[in-house]
Amino acid sequence: GESVGLHLPTLSVQEGDNSIINCAYSNSASDYFIWYKQESGKGPQFIIDIRSNMDKRQGQRVTVLLNKTVKHLSLQIAATQPGDSAVYFCAEIPNTGGFKTIFGAGTRLFVKA
Amino acid sequence: EAGVAQSPRYKIIEKRQSVAFWCNPISGHATLYWYQQILGQGPKLLIQFQNNGVVDDSQLPKDRFSAERLKGVDSTLKIQPAKLEDSAVYLCASSQGQKLFFGSGTQLSVL
Repeated sequence: GESVGLHLPTLSVQEGDNSIINCAYSNSASDYFIWYKQESGKGPQFIIDIRSNMDKRQGQRVTVLLNKTVKHLSLQIAATQPGDSAVYFCAEIPNTGGFKTIFGAGTRLFVKA
Repeated sequence: EAGVAQSPRYKIIEKRQSVAFWCNPISGHATLYWYQQILGQGPKLLIQFQNNGVVDDSQLPKDRFSAERLKGVDSTLKIQPAKLEDSAVYLCASSQGQKLFFGSGTQLSVL
């Protein structure tokens, strides 16, 4: 069935280092992808998105890369800060209409001071 | 801009009891979603409303779960009777497009 998965359940990085969170998706019909950040006790929060006609998009300290050939997404966080500690989800929106969002299991990012 | 409001924040019930959750979406957002998030997993869509109509309820366990959005604004999600495996965080989200805005959720513990 449809699924969006993540390669690593946890990631630990030193403050100031760059973080890379990976995600594999299975639905080749998906044309829109979003990364969400979920802090403890809160709902997921939008970070950055990318459409399937792009392979890279940059935000403030974050970059998303899309490789449609291998159905892979990554989220890069530059100069990781303690406030970046959270669970990160990639989500795909298949082009079947209705804006159905499918979430993966998530990667927990720990930032060591 | 006010965010998505949910209540209660926490709920503890015994199995076979009933429970209801309430959600008030961001003003003007036509689409409202209820997600179930089990500990250590990503959110799973239970039901999606467009105004007061159901767009997708394919993963809603209809023998025990029900949801309504009568006036196209607030929504309630009900579980009756609850099972142990219903212990999870129930997240409400709203959207105008493809980007979801989530509330803080209701953490349900079924004992």
